[in-house]
Amino acid sequence: EVQLVQSGAEVKKAGEPLKISCKTSGYSFESYWIAWVRQMPGKGLEWMGIIYPGDSNTRYSPSSQGQVIISVDKSISTAYLQWSSLKTSDTAIYYCARLRGFGDLLSGGWFDPWGQGTLVTVSS
Amino acid sequence: DIQMTQSPSSLSASVGDRVTITCRASQSIASDLNWYQQKPGKAPKLLIYAASNLPGGVPSRFSGSASGTDFTLTISSLQPEDFATYSCQQSHTTPLTFGGGTKVEIK
Repeated sequence: EVQLVQSGAEVKKAGEPLKISCKTSGYSFESYWIAWVRQMPGKGLEWMGIIYPGDSNTRYSPSSQGQVIISVDKSISTAYLQWSSLKTSDTAIYYCARLRGFGDLLSGGWFDPWGQGTLVTVSS
Repeated sequence: DIQMTQSPSSLSASVGDRVTITCRASQSIASDLNWYQQKPGKAPKLLIYAASNLPGGVPSRFSGSASGTDFTLTISSLQPEDFATYSCQQSHTTPLTFGGGTKVEIK
């Protein structure tokens, strides 16, 4: 069974760093893109970026570029999303999701499955 | 960036109703359109991929179709467990983008 299990909820202060994780199992980690998706309170889904663990090829949304870093540790089949300095506007639920589709091609894929989400709360 | 305009943003319907949700892409995305269902407090779940394909385990009352840049999700007979938020997502090109979501509520 393919599973994506995310790290637990975080409560932080603005300016603090943070790294959350997405541990995968049940499939070949290096062969599928892993994405991060943000959901701000009461809002819709927003794609942040995606990484191909096989070669660490990474793409970011314009709004996430320079704000976060997406990385992987292939030895433990885990993807990460990190901030060097959180803002109160980073308060949201963050989901990881595997992209299924056509090998290492991004185009035409779909997100399945998703992690359970990590709630990040940032106070001033 | 490709904009995904989803409508309506919310709707009220009764059990047994036929429900239609639409998503319009700002440019051609071929059939690179997916639909997700999200229930309160839960992660999104894949409902339809590549415009019209149902993953295993998704009830056949759900269907997807496409006409040019317009995409439609149809629930043929709404069931109590279908009350949720539905979101479309294009995977034609980065940045990958989602529609704003449609909340389906009980009438």
